[in-house]
Amino acid sequence: EADIYQTPRYLVIGTGKKITLECSQTMGHDKMYWYQQDPGMELHLIHYSYGVNSTEKGDLSSESTVSRIRTEHFPLTLESARPSHTSQYLCASSGQWSYEQYFGPGTRLTVT
Amino acid sequence: GQQVMQIPQYQHVQEGEDFTTYCNSSTTLSNIQWYKQRPGGHPVFLIQLVKSGEVKKQKRLTFQFGEAKKNSSLHITATQTTDVGTYFCAGLSYNTDKLIFGTGTRLQVFP
Repeated sequence: EADIYQTPRYLVIGTGKKITLECSQTMGHDKMYWYQQDPGMELHLIHYSYGVNSTEKGDLSSESTVSRIRTEHFPLTLESARPSHTSQYLCASSGQWSYEQYFGPGTRLTVT
Repeated sequence: GQQVMQIPQYQHVQEGEDFTTYCNSSTTLSNIQWYKQRPGGHPVFLIQLVKSGEVKKQKRLTFQFGEAKKNSSLHITATQTTDVGTYFCAGLSYNTDKLIFGTGTRLQVFP
């Protein structure tokens, strides 16, 4: 099993709050990803990074931002949460020469 | 943009029956991967196929990559209740290094 962690696992917050979802991996992987997934639905890539100080937006428009200051850490921030942000957020990583992705357990976010 | 579709969307089978999910890409792929996501869980990598026409087996699971490298299939022989979950294919095209996940097939197995 891969060593990739996400906190919190569950979060219920009110509209307008700023939140940061944490993701860390201990495998030294260069590539990291954030996906948004509604229950039982497909995964949508919202952000990715190929290394420190590298971040790109994914295919799904998102009002979130990310940073990659350290290889092992890839936090996602929502400046002002809205009910439309209610979803599961999955973090993943892969090695420099591999496209196999290891996923964290996810954060289930509910915005009321 | 690139799309990866899977059929069926849902499949309910009796334990012991076979199951197949099909994955179709709108563009030619350099490789394709398969993931399994248990209910309430996260996707877990199963396998990667790279060569045209490649077939790989993992116990009761058989994975195939089409000759044109635009489609793939996953076949499970004699399903068990532990096979329950959603199976996603994910394709990597030649002009991008981002995986595009398919729409997924949710498998339910009745004992």
